[in-house]
Amino acid sequence: GENVEQHPSTLSVQEGDSAVIKCTYSDSASNYFPWYKQELGKRPQLIIDIRSNVGEKKDQRIAVTLNKTAKHFSLHITETQPEDSAVYFCAAGNAGGTSYGKLTFGQGTILTVHP
Amino acid sequence: KAGVTQTPRYLIKTRGQQVTLSCSPISGHRSVSWYQQTPGQGLQFLFEYFSETQRNKGNFPGRFSGRQFSNSRSEMNVSTLELGDSALYLCASRVGGAANTEAFFGQGTRLTVV
Repeated sequence: GENVEQHPSTLSVQEGDSAVIKCTYSDSASNYFPWYKQELGKRPQLIIDIRSNVGEKKDQRIAVTLNKTAKHFSLHITETQPEDSAVYFCAAGNAGGTSYGKLTFGQGTILTVHP
Repeated sequence: KAGVTQTPRYLIKTRGQQVTLSCSPISGHRSVSWYQQTPGQGLQFLFEYFSETQRNKGNFPGRFSGRQFSNSRSEMNVSTLELGDSALYLCASRVGGAANTEAFFGQGTRLTVV
C-alpha cells in the first residue's frame, strides 16, 4: 500500500521567513496530494492541493510543488505569520483507483512561527 | 451550511468495554471516512463508506467496525477496548466518492481508555 513520509517533524521560523515541508510517497499510482492544517484543538482543514497533471500550484503565500519522477511534493509558505503556527499534514490519494476516497497521511509537521 | 458533526466530543471508557462513535456528514455528502489520530502517527485510515457500502478498510483489527445509514450518517464501533485505542477519532465527508475532492473533517471524538 501507499506510504507517505513527511519531514521535518518540527520546524521553527521567525515571522517573515519562509517555511518548507517535504513529503515523499511510494505508490506511483497516487495522483492527488492535499495539504491540511490543524490548529491546536481544531479539525484539520484543507489549505491547498495538487493533482498529478500539475507541477506547481500557488495560492497567495502558500505554494505546493510536485515531482512525480522523484515521488515527492513540498509545501512552501512565504512571509510566515504567527497565525501560521499549526500542525501541517501532507497526504496522497488515488482518484480513480480501488483506493476510492482513502487518503494516506504523513506524520505531520509542527510549525512554530515566532513573532 | 452545517459542517461535519461528531458525537460525543469526549469519551472515557474502561478496558474491555465497547464504544460507538457517530458522524453526521455535511448535507448532500455521501462519502464518510474515518481516521485515528495519535501523537507522532499522523492520521491512520480506518475505513470509508459510500452509499451505505464499505469500500475500503485500513490495517486495523476486526474490533474496529463501522456502518453507514441511508441518510449518510456513519457510526464506528470499537469492541473490547485496549489502552492503545486511546486516540482522537476523526471522520471526514465528501460530496462524491473520489479521493481528489475535498474531505471535510469533523472536530473528532477524543477517546480515552483507562
